Amino acid sequence: KAGVTQTPRYLIKTRGQQVTLSCSPISGHRSVSWYQQTPGQGLQFLFEYFSETQRNKGNFPGRFSGRQFSNSRSEMNVSTLELGDSALYLCASSLSGDDTEAFFGQGTRLTVV
Amino acid sequence: AQRVTQPEKLLSVFKGAPVELKCNYSYSGSPELFWYVQYSRQRLQLLLRHISRESIKGFTADLNKGETSFHLKKPFAQEEDSAMYYCALRAGTASKLTFGTGTRLQVTL
Repeated sequence: KAGVTQTPRYLIKTRGQQVTLSCSPISGHRSVSWYQQTPGQGLQFLFEYFSETQRNKGNFPGRFSGRQFSNSRSEMNVSTLELGDSALYLCASSLSGDDTEAFFGQGTRLTVV
Repeated sequence: AQRVTQPEKLLSVFKGAPVELKCNYSYSGSPELFWYVQYSRQRLQLLLRHISRESIKGFTADLNKGETSFHLKKPFAQEEDSAMYYCALRAGTASKLTFGTGTRLQVTL
């Protein structure tokens, strides 16, 4: 079966712009989580969506937001980009999220210049 | 709040030598612990979880609640084990995973 797909794979944006990243989960998975990975902070949880509702949220500013559609695909948006937002953004999907294995996508590499 | 600590950024061992990747955690409740692995140019994938108590690719990990540790062990390292290893914790029924900073395992001949 197809794995978790993230698009685009690479993005270059300018400070102040906004960006939208997309994640298509494994078919049948209803939970989608987002993580930010940086060399300094490692992997940090952004938020989780389940059945179109945000179920958990990490400690990120309000510039980071997301949503989930009825087909479980998810998008995350970052507004007013800062240099520090440069990172690899990973999406993970699972059947229900709370006690099932999470499968990760390849990630979207965002560079803010 | 929960925290996961992996004290070693890099662990270099010879092929055939034993491997132990250290992981310590802090959490007041009963956590679920995982080891994830990322091979070169591949996505992050689950290696093992403590509740399954199984051995994957020769790796095992035992949850020691007294020492709040979940070290990953393998008796004989193979070249193909070279990768980045992350220890992660899930608290309660929440889906959020808290990751350690990772340890790069380098197996040399």
